[in-house]
Amino acid sequence: AQKVTQAQTEISVVEKEDVTLDCVYETRDTTYYLFWYKQPPSGELVFLIRRNSFDEQNEISGRYSWNFQKSTSSFNFTITASQVVDSAVYFCALSEPGSARQLTFGSGTQLTVLP
Amino acid sequence: SAVISQKPSRDICQRGTSLTIQCQVDSQVTMMFWYRQQPGQSLTLIATANQGSEATYESGFVIDKFPISRPNLTFSTLTVSNMSPEDSSIYLCSVGTGPYNEQFFGPGTRLTVL
Repeated sequence: AQKVTQAQTEISVVEKEDVTLDCVYETRDTTYYLFWYKQPPSGELVFLIRRNSFDEQNEISGRYSWNFQKSTSSFNFTITASQVVDSAVYFCALSEPGSARQLTFGSGTQLTVLP
Repeated sequence: SAVISQKPSRDICQRGTSLTIQCQVDSQVTMMFWYRQQPGQSLTLIATANQGSEATYESGFVIDKFPISRPNLTFSTLTVSNMSPEDSSIYLCSVGTGPYNEQFFGPGTRLTVL
């Protein structure tokens, strides 16, 4: 069975600080896909990134970066120089090819960036 | 990515009534999903909406309570039947695209049951 754990329920930082959101996953498949989504107060889920299990390269997109480490089953998300607009709930999710392409979500991390 | 719309965006309903939520996609997609997000919680998959056949429900969700239609490759509906306050949630539809199941979500329907 697959499982995604986001141990940080809430994080609060001051604007311009860097913040890392943790994600640990469990799966028995050798092929799988990991995702991060952002849910602002409006409620819509915004797709941020997808990472394949066979691609361990880290990725940077502007102020966002992702660190994928298969050895520790982690897929952490860092926001550099955080801004108030980054305040949202962030979800990590996992998908396995053999499970009808369903997404298993973590419990989410509420990030609050204070001005 | 696909553009997804949902109707209604929010509603307040009385106990015992039913509400049908519509999900429209701007392109044909094979995989459509319905999720529930209870207040302060994560997303839970209700069912996979299959075009031309019955939906596939997850454990804890039944067709009598959450009937789903999928008449074509761009549209689906979810009905929340005989509602109780415990059904107060955000209901989201999503579509799976590409070979890696990148899912894109609609804006959600905020349902409050009194």
